[in-house]
Amino acid sequence: AQSVTQPDIHITVSEGASLELRCNYSYGATPYLFWYVQSPGQGLQLLLKYFSGDTLVQGIKGFEAEFKRSQSSFNLRKPSVHWSDAAEYFCAVGGGQAGTALIFGKGTTLSVSS
Amino acid sequence: DTGVSQDPRHKITKRGQNVTFRCDPISEHNRLYWYRQTLGQGPEFLTYFQNEAQLEKSRLLSDRFSAERPKGSFSTLEIQRTEQGDSAMYLCASSPSPGNRAEAFFGQGTRLTVV
Repeated sequence: AQSVTQPDIHITVSEGASLELRCNYSYGATPYLFWYVQSPGQGLQLLLKYFSGDTLVQGIKGFEAEFKRSQSSFNLRKPSVHWSDAAEYFCAVGGGQAGTALIFGKGTTLSVSS
Repeated sequence: DTGVSQDPRHKITKRGQNVTFRCDPISEHNRLYWYRQTLGQGPEFLTYFQNEAQLEKSRLLSDRFSAERPKGSFSTLEIQRTEQGDSAMYLCASSPSPGNRAEAFFGQGTRLTVV
C-alpha cells in the first residue's frame, strides 16, 4: 500500500538549533517526494521536491532534504531554526504518471522555543 | 497571478443542508485537485480534473460529494445532505501540465463546520 509516515507528531526546537523532521514512505513505483509547510489558517507551501538525480535537494527558507532509497526515507533538515519556522510540516509522495495525486503524511508540528 | 483562490473561507451549516465551495485556480493551470484535511491529519485526495475532464473521482468520500469544472477554469465541490463528519478543511490545488513534476499550488482552503 502507498503511504507516508511521519513518526514525530510534535517537535520542539530551540531557536538557532538544528532541525530534522523524519519521513518514511511506501510506494510501488519510482517516488516523487515533496515537503510542504502549513502555517495556521494558510494553505500549503512547497518547500522542496525530489524527482531524480542528486539525492540532496535544496529548498526555500534554508531547508534541505535527503532521499535515501535504501531506507525509504526523505528527511527534512535545517541547520539553524528561526522562530518563524514554527508551523506544520507535511511530507508527501506522488508518482510520475500524469494526474497522480499526492499522498500526505499526518504532519509534524514544529514549535520553536526562545 | 493571485494564486489559488477559494471561496468561502469559512462555512457553518446545519446538518442535512447542501453546501458548495468554489475554487479558482491559477490561470492557465490545466490540473485542479480537491483534498480534504481533518484535524491532525494530512490532506486526503478527493478528485482531480484535467481541464474540464474529471479524470479521477473514485476517492470522493460518498455519493453525497460531487465536483465540477464546467469550462476548465474554476471548479465547485458540492456536498449534499451534510453530516457532522464532513466538518473539515477542503483544499484546492492547481498545477500546470504537462508532466507530473510541476508543483501543485494550494489555496488557503474552505473550513466547513457542520452543526
